[in-house]
Amino acid sequence: GQQVMQIPQYQHVQEGEDFTTYCNSSTTLSNIQWYKQRPGGHPVFLIQLVKSGEVKKQKRLTFQFGEAKKNSSLHITATQTTDVGTYFCAATTSGTYKYIFGTGTRLKVLA
Amino acid sequence: GAVVSQHPSWVICKSGTSVKIECRSLDFQATTMFWYRQFPKQSLMLMATSNEGSKATYEQGVEKDKFLINHASLTLSTLTVTSAHPEDSSFYICSASHPSRTDTQYFGPGTRLTVL
Repeated sequence: GQQVMQIPQYQHVQEGEDFTTYCNSSTTLSNIQWYKQRPGGHPVFLIQLVKSGEVKKQKRLTFQFGEAKKNSSLHITATQTTDVGTYFCAATTSGTYKYIFGTGTRLKVLA
Repeated sequence: GAVVSQHPSWVICKSGTSVKIECRSLDFQATTMFWYRQFPKQSLMLMATSNEGSKATYEQGVEKDKFLINHASLTLSTLTVTSAHPEDSSFYICSASHPSRTDTQYFGPGTRLTVL
């Protein structure tokens, strides 16, 4: 079945450093969503990317969808302790409405 | 808007008993709801897709007789874990798609099940 891999699995950064997580699929995706899950919480929707090469920004967060629509990235500039959590991508292929979640990247920010 | 609730938020039960988890869309009608399971420090695994008024569609490897899903109304879907065993202990999360934004899921807060 479809698999969506994320790297890295874990990332520890000093507060103020940048952070990037990558999401990769072996198949062409229809669209991709990004979620953040705080420890003990549920996933919270961040953004959706639909177009090839699309780039979206939310304050310190930059999301990108690859030209081939097989990969995506989330970049956080100048991390803060409030950025701690696990970031998941979730992807769907054309013709389906089911989202398959990536393996997640757990971010720890050291003050 | 687009609030999804789950009940209970946590439950502890004895092995062999059945547990029902409710998922409600509070301020919208959800024709489609999704049930996920998340083991500690792992990703969300889709268990099944639930459509109002029809049988749920289960993902490969998910036993439909063990995880009974009922979507009797546009605002309520239930997941019943039958004859629960310790290996069923997990975080169960539902999500609902909004009728005007079917490409976005709204997640419930999750239910933590512990089977002794």
